[in-house]
Amino acid sequence: AQSVAQPEDQVNVAEGNPLTVKCTYSVSGNPYLFWYVQYPNRGLQFLLKYITGDNLVKGSYGFEAEFNKSQTSFHLKKPSALVSDSALYFCAVRDMGSGAGSYQLTFGKGTKLSVIP
Amino acid sequence: DAGITQSPRHKVTETGTPVTLRCHQTENHRYMYWYRQDPGHGLRLIHYSYGVKDTDKGEVSDGYSVSRSKTEDFLLTLESATSSQTSVYFCATGAVQSTGELFFGEGSRLTVL
Repeated sequence: AQSVAQPEDQVNVAEGNPLTVKCTYSVSGNPYLFWYVQYPNRGLQFLLKYITGDNLVKGSYGFEAEFNKSQTSFHLKKPSALVSDSALYFCAVRDMGSGAGSYQLTFGKGTKLSVIP
Repeated sequence: DAGITQSPRHKVTETGTPVTLRCHQTENHRYMYWYRQDPGHGLRLIHYSYGVKDTDKGEVSDGYSVSRSKTEDFLLTLESATSSQTSVYFCATGAVQSTGELFFGEGSRLTVL
């Protein structure tokens, strides 16, 4: 079974500094990896994904993520944090699908990012 | 955006009563999912559907049932609600078999007293 670990419950960073939110995963086969963001009282919004190709993927709002196969990691990064980036961030992995053609996305427990003015 | 609508958005009910949450999508996606979100647990999959009348259990399916009689609608039923089912429930859908990502509804907050 696949799994996702987000080792930090909370990350604090000063506005203007670079930020990193960590994610490691376990899945059979080649992974489909995702990052989502959730603002208070809202649903999750898709940020970016890795399926294949370049290990550095770029997404919405200036975020990017680096896929590292040897370390089974997919860390979310941004060069310069904004106060408006403060939110809850989720990493997710998709499985390879069953014979019936079903797919599951498994999410980490989330990391609360606080950007301090 | 998959045009996902959840109803009701908020509900307060009493232990032992049945509750049905509805998810409606407008993009004709084959796959639909119900998750619950709880502090310290992140999102956990309850049930999912990979086609009309094709459903399967997720990680935390006990006490829940689902039905999908039309592509656009996916219903989650709590036959007899318990306080442990107090949570925020999210529906999601998308072309997960190809592009991979899911799109989420705005959530249904359920309180069981």
